Amino acid sequence: GIQVEQSPPDLILQEGANSTLRCNFSDSVNNLQWFHQNPWGQLINLFYIPSGTKQNGRLSATTVATERYSLLYISSSQTTDSGVYFCAVRAGRRALTFGSGTRLQVQP
Amino acid sequence: NAGVTQTPKFQVLKTGQSMTLQCAQDMNHNSMYWYRQDPGMGLRLIYYSASEGTTDKGEVPNGYNVSRLNKREFSLRLESAAPSQTSVYFCASSDQTGGHSYEQYFGPGTRLTVT
Repeated sequence: GIQVEQSPPDLILQEGANSTLRCNFSDSVNNLQWFHQNPWGQLINLFYIPSGTKQNGRLSATTVATERYSLLYISSSQTTDSGVYFCAVRAGRRALTFGSGTRLQVQP
Repeated sequence: NAGVTQTPKFQVLKTGQSMTLQCAQDMNHNSMYWYRQDPGMGLRLIYYSASEGTTDKGEVPNGYNVSRLNKREFSLRLESAAPSQTSVYFCASSDQTGGHSYEQYFGPGTRLTVT
């Protein structure tokens, strides 16, 4: 099956800093989503982005499908950005395959 | 719209007991999914239902059964719970047309402990 690798596995930032999270995948995909799992365990949809670039406030994402990677940018980070960020992809007719996540801690 | 709802939120079982996790969505989606998340890991697919009346195994189906009761509801049953099934269970749904599946939306999860 498709492999999904996320980097870095852990990230500690000071409030106000910017960061880039990366997701590499091993095969062509027809769906790619970024999620934020908050400290209470809730999965929040950030982006549905099988290709191209999207922005939502301080967050933006870019997927280069031909090169099999996606990037999530967080600008001016806040303590509420803390949690785990997951990339998940879908190839063919199955459901999403998740990466192991990037654990982000934003310190005040 | 409530989106995707799951019951119960928490459950403790003894080894060998059975239970059913319930999931419902009000977005008129065709496809529904069950995932499990173990500590420090991403989600893994247990079963999914591409459309009403169909179900398929995912990556980790052993020890589980599912029922797509109607378009709105998709239940997950543990017939004889084992400690290895201690996990957080997430239900999700998405629209699907012509074999293409769109954005998935997740419920709040059920935290299950098997002692």
